[in-house]
Amino acid sequence: NAGVTQTPKFQVLKTGQSMTLQCAQDMNHNSMYWYRQDPGMGLRLIYYSASEGTTDKGEVPNGYNVSRLNKREFSLRLESAAPSQTSVYFCASLEDRTLSGANVLTFGAGSRLTVL
Amino acid sequence: AQSVTQLGSHVSVSEGALVLLRCNYSSSVPPYLFWYVQYPNQGLQLLLKYTSAATLVKGINGFEAEFKKSETSFHLTKPSAHMSDAAEYFCAVSDARNTPLVFGKGTRLSVIA
Repeated sequence: NAGVTQTPKFQVLKTGQSMTLQCAQDMNHNSMYWYRQDPGMGLRLIYYSASEGTTDKGEVPNGYNVSRLNKREFSLRLESAAPSQTSVYFCASLEDRTLSGANVLTFGAGSRLTVL
Repeated sequence: AQSVTQLGSHVSVSEGALVLLRCNYSSSVPPYLFWYVQYPNQGLQLLLKYTSAATLVKGINGFEAEFKKSETSFHLTKPSAHMSDAAEYFCAVSDARNTPLVFGKGTRLSVIA
């Protein structure tokens, strides 16, 4: 019962480098999300995918791209990293709204990214 | 648009004292409301959720929250704080129209022995 798995857990980049954060869930959830967490800012939504084949922008999408590779996997890419993207990134998935009527997110353990 | 305001970025209580973490929301439709907890270096875990079934919601670890529509509040309480309750707590809101959760900025709870 792995839940939501994120890789890598830690990464240090130089300004301008690119990288992809990987996320996979094994709960057969339809919706997946990427949030970033910064001190005093709470969690802010970057992108989400309501279902396989669809993606939508959240509150802070600039500088990021996403791919919903299949139902299990949702990756976040930084094409040209900037120091402002130093943050902790969380992937989450959502149990089927039609079953529960309420959107309970299951979170991964986070990926700490530092951009120098 | 929905929004959440958590009053107090840091709350400190003595062990055994009442815990009260405040959350006010804004939503144009009846909301779904949540409290999540984050322990150091971990992801967020669901503490409790309000989905209109009952205004007083009980969660894990002795926490509960009361939905008050007239005050647009969903404050989190625990009668007696334990050292293990030290963590960051997030209130979140969503409406019923398949929109993602919106989180508050969080309240860090410290418990003093």
